[in-house]
Amino acid sequence: SAVISQKPSRDICQRGTSLTIQCQVDSQVTMMFWYRQQPGQSLTLIATANQGSEATYESGFVIDKFPISRPNLTFSTLTVSNMSPEDSSIYLCSVYGQGTEAFFGQGTRLTVV
Amino acid sequence: AQKVTQAQTEISVVEKEDVTLDCVYETRDTTYYLFWYKQPPSGELVFLIRRNSFDEQNEISGRYSWNFQKSTSSFNFTITASQVVDSAVYFCALSGSSNTGKLIFGQGTTLQVKP
Repeated sequence: SAVISQKPSRDICQRGTSLTIQCQVDSQVTMMFWYRQQPGQSLTLIATANQGSEATYESGFVIDKFPISRPNLTFSTLTVSNMSPEDSSIYLCSVYGQGTEAFFGQGTRLTVV
Repeated sequence: AQKVTQAQTEISVVEKEDVTLDCVYETRDTTYYLFWYKQPPSGELVFLIRRNSFDEQNEISGRYSWNFQKSTSSFNFTITASQVVDSAVYFCALSGSSNTGKLIFGQGTTLQVKP
């Protein structure tokens, strides 16, 4: 199993600012995933973060808006840039082992005012 | 394209009733994994079960049971003798061998269990 710690757990931010979310895993993993869950909605994958390479973004998400870092095999950050109220969501990081469950962090509940 | 459909948006039952949450999936992968997660009001995702495409055995864990049928591309979840603590949003998810670990989630079913 994997234990994932996400920080911050929640934040209220002013529009136009940026927030960086941290994700720490207690074991080395090849891929880390960032998801967004808008209010009352399901989870949507933002991007896949591999160590040592640029993140791969899903359709509808761009690096300028959601830059991701992956400096080592246990850590990743997601930045939500130039925020607007539409960015108010829960952001979750996840790791997955082939043939095993996908582990999720506790999530970061972001409110943009 | 891969897709997960949870047709039931909201279900309301009275405590001790049995309830089944439906999940239908689409994938062209021959190897894939299906998941159920519970999301209580606190927001974290609680893993419930993982099933691979080669294992069609039904599974029971306490009051929870899962029925996997490849013939109908369904992976339904039943809670027996529901309790108020079962109130949550339940997500079905799919990960295919071509997905390299990405999960495709259904829209979720909100279950309300009334005392």
